[in-house]
Amino acid sequence: GDSVTQMEGPVTLSEEAFLTINCTYTATGYPSLFWYVQYPGEGLQLLLKATKADDKGSNKGFEATYRKETTSFHLEKGSVQVSDSAVYFCALSGSNSGYALNFGKGTSLLVTP
Amino acid sequence: GAGVSQSPRYKVAKRGQDVALRCDPISGHVSLFWYQQALGQGPEFLTYFQNEAQLDKSGLPSDRFFAERPEGSVSTLKIQRTQQEDSAVYLCASSLEGGGYTFGSGTRLTVV
Repeated sequence: GDSVTQMEGPVTLSEEAFLTINCTYTATGYPSLFWYVQYPGEGLQLLLKATKADDKGSNKGFEATYRKETTSFHLEKGSVQVSDSAVYFCALSGSNSGYALNFGKGTSLLVTP
Repeated sequence: GAGVSQSPRYKVAKRGQDVALRCDPISGHVSLFWYQQALGQGPEFLTYFQNEAQLDKSGLPSDRFFAERPEGSVSTLKIQRTQQEDSAVYLCASSLEGGGYTFGSGTRLTVV
């Protein structure tokens, strides 16, 4: 079945460092891919998405490119801020899972001043 | 409302008690989903409604779990005879058909 694997955390970075959180997926067909963010004490928020191969999703300085050849959707940001500290979830919605989102386990990011 | 509202925010139940968790989706959102998020894990799909019809309940872990959405708006997730393994955050999300999800803040259930 469909699945998502993302790098384990926690990830600790200094402010202004470069961020990469790896995400790879297994799915049949052409899934849509998402990154969600969960700030402390808050609900899940959609950060960005991509619906077809080579699409790049971007929001708030974060980017991720849908790479079908490597089945990946890695999240990147050039310069992180303390306010980016949160848990990040990679997810897919594919033909096997229909309308439901299939999430990775989440990666906790802590950015220190 | 402006967002998806879930209540209660926290619930402590004694093992064997029944609980009911409420989700108030964004007005006009056709689709409603329930997810279960165990500590340190990603959310796992439980069930899906389109209006009042429950189209998929394949993720419900046992027959102790029951969800309804009788008028196609508010939904209730009921767990009967709660067990310790039911302790988790229960998330509700709604969307327009084919649109992006909006998640609620969740209900944290602790079974003692």
